[in-house]
Amino acid sequence: DAGVTQSPTHLIKTRGQQVTLRCSPKSGHDTVSWYQQALGQGPQFIFQYYEEEERQRGNFPDRFSGHQFPNYSSELNVNALLLGDSALYLCASSGRTGFNSPLHFGNGTRLTVT
Amino acid sequence: AQSVTQPDIHITVSEGASLELRCNYSYGATPYLFWYVQSPGQGLQLLLKYFSGDTLVQGIKGFEAEFKRSQSSFNLRKPSVHWSDAAEYFCAGLPNTGTASKLTFGTGTRLQVTL
Repeated sequence: DAGVTQSPTHLIKTRGQQVTLRCSPKSGHDTVSWYQQALGQGPQFIFQYYEEEERQRGNFPDRFSGHQFPNYSSELNVNALLLGDSALYLCASSGRTGFNSPLHFGNGTRLTVT
Repeated sequence: AQSVTQPDIHITVSEGASLELRCNYSYGATPYLFWYVQSPGQGLQLLLKYFSGDTLVQGIKGFEAEFKRSQSSFNLRKPSVHWSDAAEYFCAGLPNTGTASKLTFGTGTRLQVTL
């Protein structure tokens, strides 16, 4: 049973560029959330997708956008990259939005902006 | 504002010694609380969770945590640490409103285990 898979594992981009990160949820899960983990910090919630719609959003600018596909996989897009966007981006999936379906995390995509 | 605080950035213990990692929370009502572990280059793995009921929660890998409402704490413990426990540990909270995804994480405690 495959867990949460993310691609690519590492990425290097230049300031001002755009990036797309991808996530496939754990089998049987239909809800995907994205987190940003800066170096030495805990993960911070970006947004959550369920039924192909953004359901919740954290304190991130509109440069951060996402999408969920009918097969429940998801993409995170970041436009006009800033140096401060360098971080580990974690995708997490769950069975439902309820509290009793804990999050399962992928290994993340390490984004470096130069 | 809702927050989770982990006062210790870095802790070193000897293999076989006991471990306690501290976590304090600040929420309007008692939140749901979680402990996650992150090994280098890996995602986060759930160790245990507290929703309600028994204040002593058992988790995987021999970990347990105790919820203390009077101290707004949810400390993680292990009686005997193994070298493989070296990792980053995160405490996280969630308002008890039934939405699982929007966890608030602490800044983490890095555990080093000496042989």
